[in-house]
Amino acid sequence: ELKVEQNPLFLSMQEGKNYTIYCNYSTTSDRLYWYRQDPGKSLESLFVLLSNGAVKQEGRLMASLDTKARLSTLHITAAVHDLSATYFCAVDIARDDKIIFGKGTRLHILP
Amino acid sequence: EADIYQTPRYLVIGTGKKITLECSQTMGHDKMYWYQQDPGMELHLIHYSYGVNSTEKGDLSSESTVSRIRTEHFPLTLESARPSHTSQYLCASSGPGQSTDTQYFGPGTRLTVL
Repeated sequence: ELKVEQNPLFLSMQEGKNYTIYCNYSTTSDRLYWYRQDPGKSLESLFVLLSNGAVKQEGRLMASLDTKARLSTLHITAAVHDLSATYFCAVDIARDDKIIFGKGTRLHILP
Repeated sequence: EADIYQTPRYLVIGTGKKITLECSQTMGHDKMYWYQQDPGMELHLIHYSYGVNSTEKGDLSSESTVSRIRTEHFPLTLESARPSHTSQYLCASSGPGQSTDTQYFGPGTRLTVL
């Protein structure tokens, strides 16, 4: 059974600081996704990582994938209040046509 | 912005009522999904579909049912709503291909059962 674990689940940090969210998964996967969810809203796709060593960046967010370690990271550089949200990683199980989500990391950035 | 729609956005209903949550997408995606999510919590897959006339139960046991008669439409029905069904329901779809593509999410339906 595929397990997707995010760490930490809650994070409160000050503006201007850097931090990393980790996503570990337990079996081979084709793709890894990062989503953002604002309170009371739906999920918004941030990144799709397709291969080992993939790195994608958008603004202050950078995601990377290490398929050998079964680990993805979402790095936040010089955080700003607008990045406060819950971030989910999700792992593709191609043979099942399903995506398994982690529990989410609730990020609160203090002004 | 993804073209996936859910109605109603908010619904407050009494116990025992039958309700249908609508989900439509105009992207021609073959795969569609229903998730249940309590506020601030993880997503639970309750139903999914590979295409027309295909439906599967997800990882979370649910008293709801779904149908997929048309590619673009994937409604979810609760025959008899209960307070335990109070939650947010998110519909998603993804494109063709051997591997699951990025899922695009609808805005969600927030259901309250009194």
